[in-house]
Amino acid sequence: DTAVSQTPKYLVTQMGNDKSIKCEQNLGHDTMYWYKQDSKKFLKIMFSYNNKELIINETVPNRFSPKSPDKAHLNLHINSLELGDSAVYFCASSQTGGPDYEQYFGPGTRLTVT
Amino acid sequence: AQSVTQPDIHITVSEGASLELRCNYSYGATPYLFWYVQSPGQGLQLLLKYFSGDTLVQGIKGFEAEFKRSQSSFNLRKPSVHWSDAAEYFCAWRGPGGGNKLTFGTGTQLKVEL
Repeated sequence: DTAVSQTPKYLVTQMGNDKSIKCEQNLGHDTMYWYKQDSKKFLKIMFSYNNKELIINETVPNRFSPKSPDKAHLNLHINSLELGDSAVYFCASSQTGGPDYEQYFGPGTRLTVT
Repeated sequence: AQSVTQPDIHITVSEGASLELRCNYSYGATPYLFWYVQSPGQGLQLLLKYFSGDTLVQGIKGFEAEFKRSQSSFNLRKPSVHWSDAAEYFCAWRGPGGGNKLTFGTGTQLKVEL
């Protein structure tokens, strides 16, 4: 009964490849997020979707394209992978509509680009 | 710029000793503040949160935090640390009018000596 799940947990690939990371939440939340954690453990938001609509798009290369087929899923597709894309990517979800909501995080996907 | 600062990159304490992790925020109004913990190789788990009201908030695993407006701080405390508390701790904030995204501090790595 995992709340927020991500696949795969580890992803090793070569520069120039295209890869996807999948995220699913079974909490019934209406908002999902992608965060990137770099090698220094700094966490930064990349995208946020509310009811399948993109609401936050931080300064992220357009090689990164999120897709939300429904409220429970938010996938991240990355084209032409670069060495600097190596990081841990976290998916999160929350139920918005009031001020006191919290975000629940998935276990992360460690992406290594060689 | 609106942010949170965690001044201590690393902290080492002995098991059974008390703990205080510092977090300072920079925001004009009262932000929504959070403490998350990340165990090695794991995702982020919410320890506690502050939105309004009582400035001393209790969280899971015996942690508490105190919001001090005069000092722009939201420090995390635990009276007696256990070896299993060794992890990375992140302070985060979300502005009431700033959309849904969490802005994280740089994290504090806690080591516990047996």
